[in-house]
Amino acid sequence: QKEVEQNSGPLSVPEGAIASLNCTYSDRGSQSFFWYRQYSGKSPELIMSIYSNGDKEDGRFTAQLNKASQYVSLLIRDSQPSDSATYLCAVNIGMGAQKLVFGQGTRLTINP
Amino acid sequence: ETGVTQTPRHLVMGMTNKKSLKCEQHLGHNAMYWYKQSAKKPLELMFVYNFKEQTENNSVPSRFSPECPNSSHLFLHLHTLQPEDSALYLCASSQDSRGLGYTFGSGTRLTVV
Repeated sequence: QKEVEQNSGPLSVPEGAIASLNCTYSDRGSQSFFWYRQYSGKSPELIMSIYSNGDKEDGRFTAQLNKASQYVSLLIRDSQPSDSATYLCAVNIGMGAQKLVFGQGTRLTINP
Repeated sequence: ETGVTQTPRHLVMGMTNKKSLKCEQHLGHNAMYWYKQSAKKPLELMFVYNFKEQTENNSVPSRFSPECPNSSHLFLHLHTLQPEDSALYLCASSQDSRGLGYTFGSGTRLTVV
């Protein structure tokens, strides 16, 4: 069973601080990794993708990948109340069509 | 219309009913997916279609029957469902040659009574 593990939270962070979300995965052959944000009652929205070891920055978001440790993380700098949502880590285990396996998500609350 | 459109947004059905969920993507993607999202559980992959051919059936009960007439449309036919099938059903699409992840539709909230 190829799994993706996340701490379900809730994770509470004060406004303006850095929120750190973590994810581990079991399939060593995975090559692409994604972070989705899901607001309550809405569908998941892709916010970051990462394919190589190291850091990838996009605005206030930084994704970090360590394939040796099978670990993916998402940092949100200068957290805003609008960042309050559930963050889903997804790992592509497909060989032909993409096949994403999702973690259960971490619920993040940014406190004003 | 842009993106991935799902209809209906909400559906209440009895256990003896037959209904269908519809998904349409306007992104020119070649792959489409059905996922089930239940409370406090990870998204569960149900079916994968690549160039309208089914490439994955993730041990889904036969009371769920997918149909993909072309690369832009995907249906999920439902019959004799159980109350535990109540969930958010999400359709997604992707362009595999680019490996850029999925685009999700807004989902259908299904309640089986």
